[in-house]
Amino acid sequence: DAGVIQSPRHEVTEMGQEVTLRCKPISGHDYLFWYRQTMMRGLELLIYFNNNVPIDDSGMPEDRFSAKMPNASFSTLKIQPSEPRDSAVYFCASSLDSVYGYTFGSGTRLTVV
Amino acid sequence: GENVEQHPSTLSVQEGDSAVIKCTYSDSASNYFPWYKQELGKGPQLIIDIRSNVGEKKDQRIAVTLNKTAKHFSLHITETQPEDSAVYFCAAPRAHTDKLIFGTGTRLQVFP
Repeated sequence: DAGVIQSPRHEVTEMGQEVTLRCKPISGHDYLFWYRQTMMRGLELLIYFNNNVPIDDSGMPEDRFSAKMPNASFSTLKIQPSEPRDSAVYFCASSLDSVYGYTFGSGTRLTVV
Repeated sequence: GENVEQHPSTLSVQEGDSAVIKCTYSDSASNYFPWYKQELGKGPQLIIDIRSNVGEKKDQRIAVTLNKTAKHFSLHITETQPEDSAVYFCAAPRAHTDKLIFGTGTRLQVFP
């Protein structure tokens, strides 16, 4: 298995632009998690899905952030409009069973200028 | 809600020495405690985990111990090697949810 695949690896965008981050979980994993990592706040859970259904989005910072999972093999995290404070590394992780055995992707480093 | 505190934030050791990283958690209902290793430019990778029905688990040079009474758990790395240099994160689930709460991380440097 190729693991959790995220794209792009790096994204540089101007403030106000829309940004879309993509994730392909491991086949057969029923859970998908989006995390954000910054020096100041560490690893923060933004939202997670179970069987493609959003379960908890309480970590999404504000309405500018949205996430979808249209099928079991694909999820997106969208920021519109982007702001400099959104600069961070965004990770997607998937698991077969809830909190047990997360597998993380390599992350997307987002820079908003 | 669940809070996970991790110490120290940085740790430097000589190759061959042992390294210990400690975490405390707040929710007594937590029952699963994983440790992740993050190398530069990569995502965190699960290296060992322990469930609340055991007090210790070992896998070659790494071990994790759990003290449920005191609500703390520790990662022990013996015979450290330069390739052990990375950031290590502990985590614990928010009880009765599918959410893992991560500690703030420990940057381990192993000097040859």
